[in-house]
Amino acid sequence: DAGVIQSPRHEVTEMGQEVTLRCKPISGHDYLFWYRQTMMRGLELLIYFNNNVPIDDSGMPEDRFSAKMPNASFSTLKIQPSEPRDSAVYFCASSFSDSNQPQHFGDGTRLSIL
Amino acid sequence: GENVEQHPSTLSVQEGDSAVIKCTYSDSASNYFPWYKQELGKRPQLIIDIRSNVGEKKDQRIAVTLNKTAKHFSLHITETQPEDSAVYFCAASTVTGANNLFFGTGTRLTVIP
Repeated sequence: DAGVIQSPRHEVTEMGQEVTLRCKPISGHDYLFWYRQTMMRGLELLIYFNNNVPIDDSGMPEDRFSAKMPNASFSTLKIQPSEPRDSAVYFCASSFSDSNQPQHFGDGTRLSIL
Repeated sequence: GENVEQHPSTLSVQEGDSAVIKCTYSDSASNYFPWYKQELGKRPQLIIDIRSNVGEKKDQRIAVTLNKTAKHFSLHITETQPEDSAVYFCAASTVTGANNLFFGTGTRLTVIP
């Protein structure tokens, strides 16, 4: 099992640029979660999908953030335009749909907006 | 919604001593409580979890206890080792089946050799 795969691992870009983060969940998992982690705010849930459908996006900070899941094996989180305050580590996690299943995290994308 | 509080925020222990991290939750419907360990620069990794039909669960040096009446649960690490140094997160999930975890703010554990 390859686990949750995220790319890129590191991203450095200038303010105003579009940023796209990618995630491949564990095969067979029905849920996919996007988190943001910062020292100040800890782990924040941004959005999650069930069977490729967004269920709750109330954690998405603002309209500059968008997420898609076109199929069961791929999801993207896009920031456009990016701002320095978006600098953080972004984690993707996935889990089975049965109740009370653990979430498995990817290695994260460390994003720096200059 | 669910609110999970975690204490202490930092904890230092001597190697070989025990460490205890405590969490409280607000939603009595929560019934799944995982603990994650995050080493510096790495991803959170599940180390143990407990479901509400169980009061205690052990895995070698790690144990978790749950008190549903008081709505709190704790992580116990015995015979701590330097490699136990990390940030530990507790979390809670409700019975809605959404598998949405509500995380505590984390405890930075330092084991002093």
